[in-house]
Amino acid sequence: GAGVSQSPSNKVTEKGKDVELRCDPISGHTALYWYRQSLGQGLEFLIYFQGNSAPDKSGLPSDRFSAERTGGSVSTLTIQRTQQEDSAVYLCASSLDGANSPLHFGNGTRLTVT
Amino acid sequence: AQTVTQSQPEMSVQEAETVTLSCTYDTSESNYYLFWYKQPPSRQMILVIRQEAYKQQNATENRFSVNFQKAAKSFSLKISDSQLGDTAMYFCAFLSGGSNYKLTFGKGTLLTVNP
Repeated sequence: GAGVSQSPSNKVTEKGKDVELRCDPISGHTALYWYRQSLGQGLEFLIYFQGNSAPDKSGLPSDRFSAERTGGSVSTLTIQRTQQEDSAVYLCASSLDGANSPLHFGNGTRLTVT
Repeated sequence: AQTVTQSQPEMSVQEAETVTLSCTYDTSESNYYLFWYKQPPSRQMILVIRQEAYKQQNATENRFSVNFQKAAKSFSLKISDSQLGDTAMYFCAFLSGGSNYKLTFGKGTLLTVNP
């Protein structure tokens, strides 16, 4: 079946512009996660959704970052007024119920802020 | 807070040989889970193997096995009969039994399998 789909695959934007990154999880997966992977670093947790609710937003780096999930499915990560330090690969993952069930990752969006 | 340390930024191995990737972690919890993920150039993170801390038996998945030393907080990955397709970044990750959703990752080890 279809895996986790992320779009766009790559995004180049100018400093100060807003960007939206999209994640389509596996159908039926109630849990959805966003992680950020900066060059030479591991994955940094950003936010976790259970259904449409975000019980944990603690990883969002600043108030320029926000995320929403609608219909218990698609999620959008928005970065306002992008900065060069926002350049990274943004990975989305979903899991069946969030309780120890395996995470399935998408291929990520590589964001480059010039 | 938990930390995961991978002390080998890069490793290489000849095709068909065996290689071991190291991982140590720090936690005060007794109930947790450990994972190894593989990230090829496609960027997709793929689960390689998983270990529950309460299980003493080391997990195995075909050519992949772990050496889980709970007292030493060590969780190494052994890849036997290495194949060219094993070339990738490998990440060790920790999941608290309490939070059970937030993975903490190490910085990764780039493994290159040479023909």
